[in-house]
Amino acid sequence: AQTVTQSQPEMSVQEAETVTLSCTYDTSESDYYLFWYKQPPSRQMILVIRQEAYKQQNATENRFSVNFQKAAKSFSLKISDSQLGDAAMYFCAYRSARGETSGSRLTFGEGTQLTVNP
Amino acid sequence: GAGVSQSPSNKVTEKGKDVELRCDPISGHTALYWYRQRLGQGLEFLIYFQGNSAPDKSGLPSDRFSAERTGESVSTLTIQRTQQEDSAVYLCASSLGAGGWETQYFGPGTRLLVL
Repeated sequence: AQTVTQSQPEMSVQEAETVTLSCTYDTSESDYYLFWYKQPPSRQMILVIRQEAYKQQNATENRFSVNFQKAAKSFSLKISDSQLGDAAMYFCAYRSARGETSGSRLTFGEGTQLTVNP
Repeated sequence: GAGVSQSPSNKVTEKGKDVELRCDPISGHTALYWYRQRLGQGLEFLIYFQGNSAPDKSGLPSDRFSAERTGESVSTLTIQRTQQEDSAVYLCASSLGAGGWETQYFGPGTRLLVL
């Protein structure tokens, strides 16, 4: 079974600064997808960024980028120019590419609570 | 409103009572998922529907939990004889298909408190 670990329960950053959230995962599969979701106090889970394991190029979405190290099974999220609206719980998630039966579920880490200080 | 909706938003019940939680997916989404989030923890997978069949229900924690889906529309998660450990936020998500790349869109969840 796959597992996802986020070793930082809480992180804080000053507004306009850069912060990196860590995520590691364990899998025996070679093809899979990785995601970062954001959960503000409203509880709504919002997709921030995603990465296909077979792509070596790191994904980027505006101020959000990832550092994907497949051999190390590491998938960190970098937030540049942090804004007050970035404050939320961030979850790293894994999804198998095996197929539509058992490959569809997302496996989540425990989350990192990000505080942005003005 | 084109997003995933869930009802009720909050539910307080007494131990031993049955509860039903409802999820309305995005129109046209064939895949639907239920997750549970205990306080301060990540999401745990419960069940996945493709259409109205459930290829993967391996995450249901006990036979007190069941779910059904009508066609490619509404899903209901039922918890019978609720226990205090069932207290959590129950989140529903839907996606256009069930491929690994498909984005799962989440609803706001139902917060269940069992007294």
